[in-house]
Amino acid sequence: QSVLTQPPSASGTPGQRVSISCSGSSSNIGTNSVSWYQHLPGTAPKLLIYSNNQRPSGVPDRFSGSKSGSSASLAISGLQSEDEADYYCAIWDDSLNGLYVFGTGTKVTLL
Amino acid sequence: EVQLVESGGGLVQPGGSLRLSCAASGFTFSAYDMHWVRRATGKGLEWVSTIGTAGDTYYPGSAKGRFTISRVDAKKSLYLQMNSLRAEDSAIYFCARGLTTAPALGYWGQGTLVTVSS
Repeated sequence: QSVLTQPPSASGTPGQRVSISCSGSSSNIGTNSVSWYQHLPGTAPKLLIYSNNQRPSGVPDRFSGSKSGSSASLAISGLQSEDEADYYCAIWDDSLNGLYVFGTGTKVTLL
Repeated sequence: EVQLVESGGGLVQPGGSLRLSCAASGFTFSAYDMHWVRRATGKGLEWVSTIGTAGDTYYPGSAKGRFTISRVDAKKSLYLQMNSLRAEDSAIYFCARGLTTAPALGYWGQGTLVTVSS
């Protein structure tokens, strides 16, 4: 079981704002930068956010990330049908001799 | 354009071995950390292995001692040798390229399916 806990599901209507939490500890999220990935089964996963709140080029500004203490969050504003996917937070945990840890994952669905 | 194309997946019996390959193009392969990540049916993303630009390697407990990651920069290729395979290793295996500015996986391949079953 992952050390990063996410809610199993989140939902919203088109145009709404959805927020996904990623809960860790002071020794992982508290001391490492957080990334967020989007994955629709059958496709390649996609990096949405790195270094807690940075968007790679090409990622819409509807996606935003934040971190506070031992938790991080991904917000999706203006929810669209193509946002229906699984979302994962992740960190590289130096304290564990180099381990990349994904969160438990959150499935986002449109109502 | 960055491209990562995995190959080598297939059906293998429990206890068997398989070697996955990832062909990279569109970037200076030797300058980036490379990774393997998998996703089993009904499960989430799981990190499998990382190799740094200097050849340093990292594994989670589930892979240590059974899997070996390697790279040949001259061929722009990444490999994952998997031995003593178990049913729980069945998954789609993705090759991914790191970022130089942060510990994140910036580009991913489409994956190759590994099925461990008798």
